Amino acid sequence: AQSVTQLDSQVPVFEEAPVELRCNYSSSVSVYLFWYVQYPNQGLQLLLKYLSGSTLVKGINGFEAEFNKSQTSFHLRKPSVHISDTAEYFCAALSGGYQKVTFGTGTKLQVIP
Amino acid sequence: DAGVTQSPTHLIKTRGQHVTLRCSPISGHKSVSWYQQVLGQGPQFIFQYYEKEERGRGNFPDRFSARQFPNYSSELNVNALLLGDSALYLCASSPQGDTQYFGPGTRLTVL
Repeated sequence: AQSVTQLDSQVPVFEEAPVELRCNYSSSVSVYLFWYVQYPNQGLQLLLKYLSGSTLVKGINGFEAEFNKSQTSFHLRKPSVHISDTAEYFCAALSGGYQKVTFGTGTKLQVIP
Repeated sequence: DAGVTQSPTHLIKTRGQHVTLRCSPISGHKSVSWYQQVLGQGPQFIFQYYEKEERGRGNFPDRFSARQFPNYSSELNVNALLLGDSALYLCASSPQGDTQYFGPGTRLTVL
């Protein structure tokens, strides 16, 4: 069964500093990967996705992620964070047929002024 | 274009009652999925429907059921509510089932 691991439950970072949120997945078949952001009391907003092609994926709000098949990772990065980036970030994977998306447990990004 | 819409936004029920949650997908999207997000956890997959047929089911009891209508909107039904069913219920739509776009959710509180 597909699993997604987000090792960091909370990541504090100073404003304008770079950040990396880690995500590892397990799959023996082709996989689609996603990062979503969730602000308090809201639904999930799609940040970026990897379906195929270039392993470096650029998303909204200046975020990007790199698909690494050999390390089964899909880490999210931003070179300079803003206060408005404070939110919870979820990594997710979809594999096999068009069935379920498996989510990680989430990483809370806290941007410190 | 309007995004995924869900109703109601909040709901309070008591144990043993029944609840129906509704979802309207993005125009043109034929797939709808339902997720349960308990406070402090990631969303857990409940169902996926595509063209009115069930495509996938998560590890939830038979008290949970869903259906998709000809206009691709969907309902999630939960019978015999338990305290543990309190959660944010998220609906997501997709053109074919890959990239999913989420609605704002329905917050269900069971007392």
